[in-house]
Amino acid sequence: GDSVTQMEGPVTLSEEAFLTINCTYTATGYPSLFWYVQYPGEGLQLLLKATKADDKGSNKGFEATYRKETTSFHLEKGSVQVSDSAVYFCALGVSAGGTSYGKLTFGQGTILTVHP
Amino acid sequence: DGGITQSPKYLFRKEGQNVTLSCEQNLNHDAMYWYRQDPGQGLRLIYYSQIVNDFQKGDIAEGYSVSREKKESFPLTVTSAQKNPTAFYLCASSVDRAGQPQHFGDGTRLSIL
Repeated sequence: GDSVTQMEGPVTLSEEAFLTINCTYTATGYPSLFWYVQYPGEGLQLLLKATKADDKGSNKGFEATYRKETTSFHLEKGSVQVSDSAVYFCALGVSAGGTSYGKLTFGQGTILTVHP
Repeated sequence: DGGITQSPKYLFRKEGQNVTLSCEQNLNHDAMYWYRQDPGQGLRLIYYSQIVNDFQKGDIAEGYSVSREKKESFPLTVTSAQKNPTAFYLCASSVDRAGQPQHFGDGTRLSIL
């Protein structure tokens, strides 16, 4: 079945440090890939997405490239801020036609803490 | 602004009680979903609905029930059969049956008294 594996956290960085959160996946079909962010006490917000191989998703300084050859979708940011402290979830979705639905499969989440 | 509203934010349940979590969306989305989140784990799908008056079990439906009588509403009932209900519950919606991307509410935290 489909699965997503994220690097284990928590990840602790100083402000302006470089961030990488690794995400690899296994899937049948041709998945779309997503990064969601969850701030304390809130729901998930879509951070970025990529729908096909070699696509790069980007938003708020975060980037991730859909690498089909390595089945990866690593999240990166060049200079993190305290306000980036949150839980980050990698997810994949495989759309199916007909009466099927597009299920999202989530990784376990990575807690990021950024110190001033 | 359009969005998903979950209520209440915090909910307490006594042993043997059923409780209902509310989820309302004004995004005019066809599909709605309920997820359960436990510490250190990803989200697990409880139920989903692609269209009014239709819903399907997700990966962990036992002990839960739902209804979809209106497009904008998808309430979740946690029954007494759910032996470990303490968790953070998230409702989501998507514009169509393809399901991507999904938009989330702010969640309801359920605890057992």
